Amino acid sequence: AQKVTQAQTEISVVEKEDVTLDCVYETRDTTYYLFWYKQPPSGELVFLIRRNSFDEQNEISGRYSWNFQKSTSSFNFTITASQVVDSAVYFCALSETSRDDKIIFGKGTRLHILP
Amino acid sequence: DSGVTQTPKHLITATGQRVTLRCSPRSGDLSVYWYQQSLDQGLQFLIQYYNGEERAKGNILERFSAQQFPDLHSELNLSSLELGDSALYFCASSPRGVRETQYFGPGTRLLVL
Repeated sequence: AQKVTQAQTEISVVEKEDVTLDCVYETRDTTYYLFWYKQPPSGELVFLIRRNSFDEQNEISGRYSWNFQKSTSSFNFTITASQVVDSAVYFCALSETSRDDKIIFGKGTRLHILP
Repeated sequence: DSGVTQTPKHLITATGQRVTLRCSPRSGDLSVYWYQQSLDQGLQFLIQYYNGEERAKGNILERFSAQQFPDLHSELNLSSLELGDSALYFCASSPRGVRETQYFGPGTRLLVL
């Protein structure tokens, strides 16, 4: 079955600390895509990254980095030197190629960066 | 500004009514996606259209329907509305498919009274 679990409902850290948001997924497909989205307090959804199942290389974009590990079915997201503007709800999502692009989202992790 | 527009921004209606939400994708994008975000159900993928054809279907109720027109804009029709349909409805677009960057509109907030 297709499933995405974000066990951390809410996290609070002090500004400049590093924080990791966990994402664990379940799929029977060998080909699939993983995504992270950000939803700031203003409400819009911002696409952050997509990763296909054949590319296990970690990715870094500025203060953001993603760690994809097929062995543990995890796709974790780390923010280094967090800033108040990082406060948002972050969603992890999965799309299986066998399911015609249907996307399943996790419940989201609400991140509070305290000044 | 993502380039994706949604109208209206807010909608208040009564149970049993029907509403239409409209989405205009970014110029050149062929795929349009609809999502529903509610407090109890979280963020759910509803449906995707690609160049006028239905491409993928998620947790979309039978009371809901969508279509993509030749000019690529899309409409989501919600009928026989129930209190539980109150939610934020997002539209997103991408050049082709889900494996590309999706650009989200600002959403339409629907309140069913």
